[in-house]
Amino acid sequence: EAGVAQSPRYKIIEKRQSVAFWCNPISGHATLYWYQQILGQGPKLLIQFQNNGVVDDSQLPKDRFSAERLKGVDSTLKIQPAKLEDSAVYLCASSLDGGTGYEQYFGPGTRLTVT
Amino acid sequence: GESVGLHLPTLSVQEGDNSIINCAYSNSASDYFIWYKQESGKGPQFIIDIRSNMDKRQGQRVTVLLNKTVKHLSLQIAATQPGDSAVYFCAENPLKTSYDKVIFGPGTSLSVIP
Repeated sequence: EAGVAQSPRYKIIEKRQSVAFWCNPISGHATLYWYQQILGQGPKLLIQFQNNGVVDDSQLPKDRFSAERLKGVDSTLKIQPAKLEDSAVYLCASSLDGGTGYEQYFGPGTRLTVT
Repeated sequence: GESVGLHLPTLSVQEGDNSIINCAYSNSASDYFIWYKQESGKGPQFIIDIRSNMDKRQGQRVTVLLNKTVKHLSLQIAATQPGDSAVYFCAENPLKTSYDKVIFGPGTSLSVIP
């Protein structure tokens, strides 16, 4: 089966600009996650969707980050305006369901550099 | 607070030897643990998981051990191969809810010497 797709793979922007990332989860997966991975650290959950509803966005900096999952399939994550500390890899993952024990499948990530 | 920590940031092993990667967690309420492998330029990949009602689980060339008394988790890789070179993360599900919020540790970089 096809894996989780993300685009773009790389993005370089200047601070205060805006950027958007796109994710297409594995077909049939109800749960979608966005993670931020700063260099040398483990991924940190930003937001979790169950179908098109938000389950957890407690670590999403809502003053600048937004995410949506229209129709419960694809998702976009937006940053506006970007700061230098947003430089990271943004990972999208999906799982069949959100319960404990359901394996999360990760996409390759989008590497964002903010200058 | 909740945290999963790992502490050897780097590990070098000779090809063919066994590798042991360790992880300490702080939340005694965590009931599910996962090990992930992340190769350069890729997303994390599930390796093996274990629930808190178990103390050992084996997969293909990998074994996870869980010691709840000291809140310690380890990943053993048998006959380490060059393809095992990657960063390994332990992760925990700290909440007894119906949704799996997974918290990742900082990772250990494994280098296999041919």
